[in-house]
Amino acid sequence: DAKTTQPPSMDCAEGRAANLPCNHSTISGNEYVYWYRQIHSQGPQYIIHGLKNNETNEMASLIITEDRKSSTLILPHATLRDTAVYYCIVRSYNTDKLIFGTGTRLQVFP
Amino acid sequence: ETGVTQSPTHLIKTRGQQVTLRCSSQSGHNTVSWYQQALGQGPQFIFQYYREEENGRGNFPPRFSGLQFPNYSSELNVNALELDDSALYLCASTGSRDRGGYSGYTFGSGTRLTVV
Repeated sequence: DAKTTQPPSMDCAEGRAANLPCNHSTISGNEYVYWYRQIHSQGPQYIIHGLKNNETNEMASLIITEDRKSSTLILPHATLRDTAVYYCIVRSYNTDKLIFGTGTRLQVFP
Repeated sequence: ETGVTQSPTHLIKTRGQQVTLRCSSQSGHNTVSWYQQALGQGPQFIFQYYREEENGRGNFPPRFSGLQFPNYSSELNVNALELDDSALYLCASTGSRDRGGYSGYTFGSGTRLTVV
């Protein structure tokens, strides 16, 4: 079973920041938080991952709470092309499989 | 660098038949995983191959089997197809593991299998 809980859907206006929450209250010390997204009819796309520090790359920022029980993926300036299902995944560094939940369907509107 | 390529993109099979799906991993990647994604669901892990050996398996019956070749490409074989096997089958590859965890799997666009 997935170890994360996400809202099923969210809306965001184009140009605004999209903040996607994820709860992972049972996360353990050696587990990372990964984010992927899946645009319709394509394979999942890696976005970002982190352990306990906040992370930023060219796609997004990942904010992990100090107790590591939740995190937020931030798309700073959402575009229509960011419309997708976003998956938050908790994964141990020594386990290779990704356990996907049902994700959050983000709809970016003009 | 090339990404992960899968073939065929679409396939229709009859219940009871066998099917082979193929995957070419991204250049430099030695680990390949397969996932099944039913409509409206997240992908479900089937199994993973590392250096031609299966090194992890999800909750799938033995009629789901695989191979990895010396060039790190891979096949997924499904015998005795059932209607519930209809799904998008995704292949993902990654490079060597390090203490920091993988930087991420690269997924292909998948093979959509329909069993009738």
